[in-house]
Amino acid sequence: EIVMTQSPATLYVSPGERATLSCRASQSVGSNLAWYQQKPGQPPRRLIYGASTRATGIPDRFSGSGSGTEFTLTISSLQSEDFAVYYCQQYNNWPPLTFGGGTKVEIK
Amino acid sequence: EVQLLESGGGLVEPGGSLRLSCAASGSMSWLRQAPGKGMEWVSSISAGGSNTYYADSVKGRFTISRDNSKNTMYLQMNSLRAEDTAVYYCATGWSYLDYWGEGTLVTVSS
Repeated sequence: EIVMTQSPATLYVSPGERATLSCRASQSVGSNLAWYQQKPGQPPRRLIYGASTRATGIPDRFSGSGSGTEFTLTISSLQSEDFAVYYCQQYNNWPPLTFGGGTKVEIK
Repeated sequence: EVQLLESGGGLVEPGGSLRLSCAASGSMSWLRQAPGKGMEWVSSISAGGSNTYYADSVKGRFTISRDNSKNTMYLQMNSLRAEDTAVYYCATGWSYLDYWGEGTLVTVSS
């Protein structure tokens, strides 16, 4: 099973600032990585797939990068609606599909 | 945008059973999130229903299926345990998960 590790667990950012979230895989997943955003009481929302392709309707302030074992989600200028929990998920080697533990982005 | 709606959750005693339902199109998956915890994949099924996959934690207890004539996917959950308590989500796809339902809460408690 591929273990996904996200850091930091909590990221404190001021509105308008850049946020950089990290995700590491225990072995290479190529570019088969997705990012999701989850707000309290809501289901996850897909943001990125293929490590860097934005899903339909996702603003271009969200960008993904990386391949192999190291990945980054960058939010270029945080808006109030972006404060949420973010999960990475690999789909290169499954079952099982595996998720990171999440990074919570909070207001600084 | 695709709208998914799960149903069938509720309170059940340990050892009991529940069946969850979700409108289905294409390959589909079930995932769950225990209170205050992260996301866990549970099971996936191909568009035709011939290929199914399970997490080790539910293998032998849960069964995923679908009725394409009703555009519905199911998760039959037997021998439920306290650790199965979670919000259960259905989602489209079985690689990255494109659209998610709102979730249905399953509580296993005596």
